[in-house]
Formats: sequence, C-alpha cells, structure tokens
Amino acid sequence: DIQMTQSPSSLSASVGDRVSITCRASQSIRTYLNWYQQKPGKAPNLLIYGASSLQRGVPSRFSGSGSGTDFTLTISSLQPEDFATYYCQQSYIIPYIFGQGTKLEIK
Amino acid sequence: EVQLVESGGGLVQPGRSLRLSCTASGFTFGDHPMSWVRQAPGKGLEWVGFIRSKTYGGTTEYAASVKGRFTISRDDSKSIAYLQMNSLKTEDTAVYFCTRVGIYYYDSSGYWTPLDYWGQGTLVTVSS
Repeated sequence: DIQMTQSPSSLSASVGDRVSITCRASQSIRTYLNWYQQKPGKAPNLLIYGASSLQRGVPSRFSGSGSGTDFTLTISSLQPEDFATYYCQQSYIIPYIFGQGTKLEIK
Repeated sequence: EVQLVESGGGLVQPGRSLRLSCTASGFTFGDHPMSWVRQAPGKGLEWVGFIRSKTYGGTTEYAASVKGRFTISRDDSKSIAYLQMNSLKTEDTAVYFCTRVGIYYYDSSGYWTPLDYWGQGTLVTVSS
C-alpha cells in the first residue's frame, strides 16, 4: 500500500498568516492527490483535487501544488473559519489512503 | 443540490451484522462510483471501499481491514448505496460517511476521482 505522511501533525498560527501543510507519498502518485478540510463534528469537505485544482466554491486563498511524491496545501491568509483539521488522500492506487491529518489551531 | 443521507447506524454486539444505507439525491446516481469512509472516535479518516458505476461493471474494492467482512452494493433505481457489515469487531466502531466519487477529466481519457460530496455520517458502535 502507498503510505501518506503529512507534516506537521499540528500547527499553531494567527489570523492573516500564510501557512503550508505538506503531504508525502511513499511512491509516485502523479497528481492524484486530494485535500480535505474537516471541522469538529462535521463531514470533511473537498478543497483541492488533482493536486492543484480548486474545488468549486472553495475560497481562492487555498491552493495546492506538487506532483509525484511531494505535495503542499497553502492557505495564503488564514481566516477564523480555516482553523480545522486537514487531510490529504491519494486516489491513484487502491487502497485510497488518507494522510494522518494536520490540526490547524489558533495561536 | 447534491445530498447524501446515511442511515442504519447504532449499537451492535461484536460478531453481529449491520447494514448502512446512503440515500442520494441531486445528481444522476448511476453515473458515479460511491465510496464509504469511516472515522473512529478521535482518529483520522480511513477509506473503507467503493463501488464502481454499472458502466464499469459495478465492481467493488475494499480496504484490507474490512475485506471479506464488509460488502458495498448499490440500487441505482432507488439511488441508494449500501454498506453491509458482518462479523463486526470493536475496532469497527466509527462514524461512517457515504461519499460520492467525483469524475473530473484532465484530458480526453484521464480523470481524477476525489470524494466530492459527503453525507453527515452515521455512528456505529460495536460493543457488548
């Protein structure tokens, strides 16, 4: 199975900060990488698919980059509603493993 | 508006069975693969499996942790996906999410398949 490793596991930041979360795959997944946001008690929400394509309705302050094994989710200017847990997921080879998650907290 | 509504969760004893349903609306159900994802209390997301559309044979794939015990099926006439869970274990305790598998083309034949819509989840507790 492909392993997905996110870093950091947790992150403290302030409103207005620029933050980045990385996701590394144990083998190449080309651009078959998705990012999700989950708030407590809620279902996850798709932010980015295909490594860099913004899902409809998602604010443009979210962006994704990378291909192969290394990927990054960037939030250009944190808003209060962005404090949540973020997951990457590969959809290249079954099983479609998720990363362990990155919890973004208010500093 | 795409909506996915799960039902069928609850408390069940180890070794018993439970069937979850996912009722979909707002899109052409038969055109999309459907997937299940679970989340144990306080833990991360775990992909459970998916079922392809009938166009691609309606075949299924599963995570190793549930293979042989769980079965995903679909009834396109009713726009419902099912997750049949047998031989349940305490470690199957989780919120189970039904998701639509999106189909996003990047060229004439290649496409990405993110989980683009999610239900609210239903809690399954396996305990004696």
